[in-house]
Amino acid sequence: GENVEQHPSTLSVQEGDSAVIKCTYSDSASNYFPWYKQELGKRPQLIIDIRSNVGEKKDQRIAVTLNKTAKHFSLHITETQPEDSAVYFCAASMEGNLIFGKGTKLSVKP
Amino acid sequence: GAGVSQTPSNKVTEKGKYVELRCDPISGHTALYWYRQSLGQGPEFLIYFQGTGAADDSGLPNDRFFAVRPEGSVSTLKIQRTERGDSAVYLCASSPASGSRDEQFFGPGTRLTVL
Repeated sequence: GENVEQHPSTLSVQEGDSAVIKCTYSDSASNYFPWYKQELGKRPQLIIDIRSNVGEKKDQRIAVTLNKTAKHFSLHITETQPEDSAVYFCAASMEGNLIFGKGTKLSVKP
Repeated sequence: GAGVSQTPSNKVTEKGKYVELRCDPISGHTALYWYRQSLGQGPEFLIYFQGTGAADDSGLPNDRFFAVRPEGSVSTLKIQRTERGDSAVYLCASSPASGSRDEQFFGPGTRLTVL
């Protein structure tokens, strides 16, 4: 079955800097790659997603890139703000159910 | 409109007891998913429904776990003979249709503690 690896597990940046989180997946049949943000004690919320027919997608300060050949995808957050601090999860999907990475705890220091 | 809701928000039970966790998906969403999230981990897939039927139950860890969705809306996750290792946050999500291309909207979760 699908396996998703996520790095780093923790990431600390200064406000205004960029943050990059990377994920790899194992099943080349996966075709949908969402990123979720989860604040402490809250539900996961989708922040951006990408489908396998697209190499890059951007939404304001957030962008995601996908390399199907290498089977990896990355989340890029620019001009980070303290409210970006949370745990971020990548996921991969082929038939509906999401397979999640272990998460990255992002801390943005003012 | 209302998002995905789950009840109870917290459940404390004793080892060996039976528990039921309820999920109310977003109205009109045909696909419903159950995940389990342990501390410091990502959500782990358990089962997903398309309408009333379980389309994929490959994530259920053993036969103590069972889920139903009799009318294609509300779903109940049932755990028999609970064990301490079942302690986790159980998340429910729904999406407008099945397949991998629809955003899944998550509920707030039920925190299950087995003493």
